[in-house]
Amino acid sequence: GESVGLHLPTLSVQEGDNSIINCAYSNSASDYFIWYKQESGKGPQFIIDIRSNMDKRQGQRVTVLLNKTVKHLSLQIAATQPGDSAVYFCAENSNTGFQKLVFGTGTRLLVSP
Amino acid sequence: DVKVTQSSRYLVKRTGEKVFLECVQDMDHENMFWYRQDPGLGLRLIYFSYDVKMKEKGDIPEGYSVSREKKERFSLILESASTNQTSMYLCASSPQGAYEQYFGPGTRLTVT
Repeated sequence: GESVGLHLPTLSVQEGDNSIINCAYSNSASDYFIWYKQESGKGPQFIIDIRSNMDKRQGQRVTVLLNKTVKHLSLQIAATQPGDSAVYFCAENSNTGFQKLVFGTGTRLLVSP
Repeated sequence: DVKVTQSSRYLVKRTGEKVFLECVQDMDHENMFWYRQDPGLGLRLIYFSYDVKMKEKGDIPEGYSVSREKKERFSLILESASTNQTSMYLCASSPQGAYEQYFGPGTRLTVT
């Protein structure tokens, strides 16, 4: 299989638990944030995004929280399922005039049945 | 659904070879990106393009070049492959004015 993220921090949860994945971002001027999920052998897939004028945004089983004071972003996954096992990345916009993203290094989520 | 395809899933090349990685998107996106992904380092931007024939260096352009002759296609070129270019290469695209990027499945390149 793919060897993405051999040295990633790992969060292990039981099926049905709620998962919280955290991310610290670097640029206080960033105004757009996005979470991606990357399953083994696949490219990253969009999960949810949030703009800096919001503190919270909810999707299907996922919630993103933004704390601009401490430059912290979190992704909450409700009722985690084995299919949620993947590497999760946060990204922020780079504010360089182009629509670029700056990615975090990722967290591996392992869900046990 | 947006679809981004990459020409190869796995590629093995020898040191010094010229390598072409192709990426095609079918959603008429203006922006296209090439990243490499290495354990513990996340996604690092190599080059990006915001229009046909336009290209901009990313964070790690050394040893790479790109070509965008058509809107839907963005090629990454390794002029003379080296072992330190062994990596997973990811292509992405996004529409003008949007940050959300759509990724291809990646190409695992091994240079021996």
